[in-house]
Amino acid sequence: KAGVTQTPRYLIKTRGQQVTLSCSPISGHRSVSWYQQTPGQGLQFLFEYFSETQRNKGNFPGRFSGRQFSNSRSEMNVSTLELGDSALYLCASSLGLAGVVPQYFGPGTRLTVL
Amino acid sequence: DAKTTQPPSMDCAEGRAANLPCNHSTISGNEYVYWYRQIHSQGPQYIIHGLKNNETNEMASLIITEDRKSSTLILPHATLRDTAVYYCIVRVAKDNAGNMLTFGGGTRLMVKP
Repeated sequence: KAGVTQTPRYLIKTRGQQVTLSCSPISGHRSVSWYQQTPGQGLQFLFEYFSETQRNKGNFPGRFSGRQFSNSRSEMNVSTLELGDSALYLCASSLGLAGVVPQYFGPGTRLTVL
Repeated sequence: DAKTTQPPSMDCAEGRAANLPCNHSTISGNEYVYWYRQIHSQGPQYIIHGLKNNETNEMASLIITEDRKSSTLILPHATLRDTAVYYCIVRVAKDNAGNMLTFGGGTRLMVKP
């Protein structure tokens, strides 16, 4: 079974621009979560989607948003990019919402903001 | 979710068992212990999880103390490819709880030849 895929793998943007990252979960997984990883803050939870609805949200500004499609694929968008948004953005998928089964992570998208 | 405490770093000789400890003294009855690892610049990789019984899979063994306040991840024969940051995470398990994982600093395991 194919794993979680993320596109693009690398991205360079300039301050003020916006960016959209894409995530395809493992087949059959309906939950998709997004995380940001930076050297200073470590791995931090952004939000989780299940059945096209946001179920949980981390402590990030409204510039960070996401959505999930009917096929469980998800996108996250960051508007008005700041230098501090440079990070590895990770997507993870899971079968359900009960917190019992593992989440499986993709390889990430490395975003650099200049 | 309960907080976990892990040593920041550990060394292990190649071929020997690596025993990574985790303290979760405030764990509650419906919280699972999960272990993930992250090899440099890759996405975290799920290793194993458990509630109260010891667990084993093809990657590792998880030993949870009887009072559930601590656990140990065991890599039976560490290789250089096991060099990574290992995260111990406690997560509540109930319907619709969601899958948010709270990552701490983890343990940086260095396997040496």
